Amino acid sequence: ILNVEQSPQSLHVQEGDSTNFTCSFPSSNFYALHWYRWETAKSPEALFVMTLNGDEKKKGRISATLNTKEGYSYLYIKGSQPEDSATYLCASNDYKLSFGAGTTVTVRA
Amino acid sequence: DAGITQSPRYKITETGRQVTLMCHQTWSHSYMFWYRQDLGHGLRLIYYSAAADITDKGEVPDGYVVSRSKTENFPLTLESATRSQTSVYFCASRGSYEQYFGPGTRLTVT
Repeated sequence: ILNVEQSPQSLHVQEGDSTNFTCSFPSSNFYALHWYRWETAKSPEALFVMTLNGDEKKKGRISATLNTKEGYSYLYIKGSQPEDSATYLCASNDYKLSFGAGTTVTVRA
Repeated sequence: DAGITQSPRYKITETGRQVTLMCHQTWSHSYMFWYRQDLGHGLRLIYYSAAADITDKGEVPDGYVVSRSKTENFPLTLESATRSQTSVYFCASRGSYEQYFGPGTRLTVT
């Protein structure tokens, strides 16, 4: 089981503001880094899978970057909206995912 | 419909009873996983399977049993349910990279 850490544990952001948060993971034997969006009472929904150092992925107002050499990934939310409120999980794996505890984002209208 | 399903979605059982949670996927994914959602821990891996008839322990396997006689099914059995096993259980399957989660089963052990 890999040690995957996310920070901060939670954050509040005003509607319209941008925010970002971090996922750190062991850089040795890296295979892939996953980001999930997890809304209350639902199942985690895949956002991105990144495999290459320097990868950048974007889906609407959400984007992510990957640094495999130093073992971190950032998730960015641009112009936060109330519907972005969720817990964002990252996970790193060889053949099975190890999840971080998540960053819970609350967007205030 | 294609996808991954879990049944039942909600279950209440008594301490000491055996209960089985079902998971079914239609993608023919090789890998399947069982997680439990624990406050402060996020998702913790219980068991996983790399293929039919191949299973292995995850982070928190004690008190659970799995089987995988067919690629599409991966049932999780609580042999003798305890209150500490009250949780939401998620099944997942993965092909090459992306992993997809089922809708979850909320289990309450009284």
